[in-house]
Amino acid sequence: KNEVEQSPQNLTAQEGEFITINCSYSVGISALHWLQQHPGGGIVSLFMLSSGKKKHGRLIATINIQEKHSSLHITASHPRDSAVYICAALTGNQFYFGTGTSLTVIP
Amino acid sequence: DAGVIQSPRHEVTEMGQEVTLRCKPISGHDYLFWYRQTMMRGLELLIYFNNNVPIDDSGMPEDRFSAKMPNASFSTLKIQPSEPRDSAVYFCASSLYGYTGELFFGEGSRLTVL
Repeated sequence: KNEVEQSPQNLTAQEGEFITINCSYSVGISALHWLQQHPGGGIVSLFMLSSGKKKHGRLIATINIQEKHSSLHITASHPRDSAVYICAALTGNQFYFGTGTSLTVIP
Repeated sequence: DAGVIQSPRHEVTEMGQEVTLRCKPISGHDYLFWYRQTMMRGLELLIYFNNNVPIDDSGMPEDRFSAKMPNASFSTLKIQPSEPRDSAVYFCASSLYGYTGELFFGEGSRLTVL
C-alpha cells in the first residue's frame, strides 16, 4: 500500500473549468508539498503547507490534518496548466511521493 | 539567482561505465537533495545533505551509488558501474529550510544506460 495516494491519475478538462486534484496519506505528517512537473520535465514547487489553506494566483491548496487529505484546486484552468501534479508528504525525515496526476487542459 | 544548475542534461552511456552527475545549488541554501524519477517508481529521494554533510542516504539503491558534497556550491552523484536499470531522470533540489521550506529543483539529468 502506498503511503500517499492521488486521484485522479489522469484528468482532461476544458479551458476555464474548475479542477480539483486529491491527495490522501496514511502517515502522520509535518508538512505536505504540491509539485508541478511540466511536459519538459522541470519540477516546480507550488505549495508547502501544514494546515489550513494557501492561495497563489489561480491555485489553491487545502489540507485537513484530521482526515489526512489535501486538495489542489485550479480555478479558470488554462492550457498552460497542463502538467503532472505531485503531492509529497513529509513525516520526520521521510518524504513520501504520490504517483502524480496528469492534467491536460484543452483549449 | 540562476537557480539550481545540473549537468549534464542528457547522458547516454554503456553498461559498466562510470556516470557522474553534477549539481550546483542556489547560493545560501543549506540543504541539497538528490532524487530519481522513473515511470515505474515515480519520484524517490536518494540522499540529502545539510551544510555539506550527508544526513539521510537510506534511499541510495546500492553500493554502486555514491554522493558527495565537497563544498556548499557543488555536489556529485556517481554511479559505478552503471546498469540499464539505472536509467532515469535524476533531479537535484535545494532548500533554505530543508523539507519544511520551499524546494527548488534543477532541470534534471536524463540518464540512459544501454
